[in-house]
Amino acid sequence: GAGVSQSPSNKVTEKGKDVELRCDPISGHTALYWYRQSLGQGLEFLIYFQGNSAPDKSGLPSDRFSAERTGGSVSTLTIQRTQQEDSAVYLCASSFGQGNEQYFGPGTRLTVT
Amino acid sequence: GEDVEQSLFLSVREGDSSVINCTYTDSSSTYLYWYKQEPGAGLQLLTYIFSNMDMKQDQRLTVLLNKKDKHLSLRIADTQTGDSAIYFCAESFYNTDKLIFGTGTRLQVFP
Repeated sequence: GAGVSQSPSNKVTEKGKDVELRCDPISGHTALYWYRQSLGQGLEFLIYFQGNSAPDKSGLPSDRFSAERTGGSVSTLTIQRTQQEDSAVYLCASSFGQGNEQYFGPGTRLTVT
Repeated sequence: GEDVEQSLFLSVREGDSSVINCTYTDSSSTYLYWYKQEPGAGLQLLTYIFSNMDMKQDQRLTVLLNKKDKHLSLRIADTQTGDSAIYFCAESFYNTDKLIFGTGTRLQVFP
């Protein structure tokens, strides 16, 4: 497939556990973005990667959230000690860089019980 | 700060035109976008407009931008049941590539 893929599609976890969400961007896209969609907060930006570096991580809600990108491709968003308010759909997008269209993946629905 | 507002809900009859509105507070945006989200699906870019333009037409879609009033609208002509979805406006800025999304408008099309 040529689109952005994310895994898992659904994740249910217990409060306090750590989770890892994965994003495979479109091949050749240098920029990668994480967003979160929740009922209370709408669609929020979390972090942006250009290559393997993150020039803008201003949207990460707390230090329990971290993300990395390796080889200029796959990215992992890690949430430590999950809380119920972390329940949301986590969306990944990729693009050829600033000013170019961002293509979104289908998202990972995270439920913290 | 960045704040993008939309009305929550719009209901239209099939064949009529739909107009979805968006207001924003930060006038330094470079591009403004309209995304569509269907149930269980990801976000799909419908169209976008550069901030120094005031209108863009793309088939059934017309985007109007009033920079003075910081108001963006999306008009869908001949609305079809397949247009039922949530529509998000979004803006981006020169110095960062993040998108700031509106609250989303749920469009319901009835026969």
